[in-house]
Amino acid sequence: DIQMTQSPSSLSASVGDRVTITCRASQSISSYLNWYQQKPGKAPKLLIYAASSLQSGVPSRFSGSGSGTDFTLTISSLQPEDFATYYCQQSYSTPHSFGQGTKLEIK
Amino acid sequence: QVQLVQSGAEVKKPGASVKVSCKASGYTFTSYYMHWVRQAPGQGLEWMGIINPSGGSTSYAQKFQGRVTMTRDTSTSTVYMELSSLRSEDTAVYYCARANWGSLGAFDIWGQGTMVTVSS
Repeated sequence: DIQMTQSPSSLSASVGDRVTITCRASQSISSYLNWYQQKPGKAPKLLIYAASSLQSGVPSRFSGSGSGTDFTLTISSLQPEDFATYYCQQSYSTPHSFGQGTKLEIK
Repeated sequence: QVQLVQSGAEVKKPGASVKVSCKASGYTFTSYYMHWVRQAPGQGLEWMGIINPSGGSTSYAQKFQGRVTMTRDTSTSTVYMELSSLRSEDTAVYYCARANWGSLGAFDIWGQGTMVTVSS
């Protein structure tokens, strides 16, 4: 099974900050890496698919990069609505494992 | 619009079974695989398994093998997830999610979630 490791587990930042979250896969997953945002009491929402493709309707301040085993999610200028938990996920092979999540909090 | 609507919250006793439904609308049901993901209170997302609504084939996470069954009804565009021998650790929100192969299998549409509480 492929293990996904995110860092950091939590992060405090201010509105307007640039934030980067990293995700590492235990083996190569090519570009089969997705990022989700989850707010309390809500279902996850797809932000980035195939490592770097922006899902329709997602603001352009979100971007993703990487391939193989190392990936990043960047938010270029944090907005108040971006404070949430973020998960990476691999869709390369079953089980389609998730990272443990990164909780982004207001500083 | 494209959506997945899940059945309502359940309360079950340890040892019982629960069956959660997920009704798809707004797209061709048999053209997209469906996954089930759960989230225990305050915890992360855990992948449970996948079903191909076209042929009905399934693949389950090792952790749930023998306890989970995923089925589908093409006449109503509904997938089901049944979990048996429930224990307190199965208390969680259960989500269905559509996989889009045009997005390399990313889960682009999610159900609203179904809270399952296991308590004596």
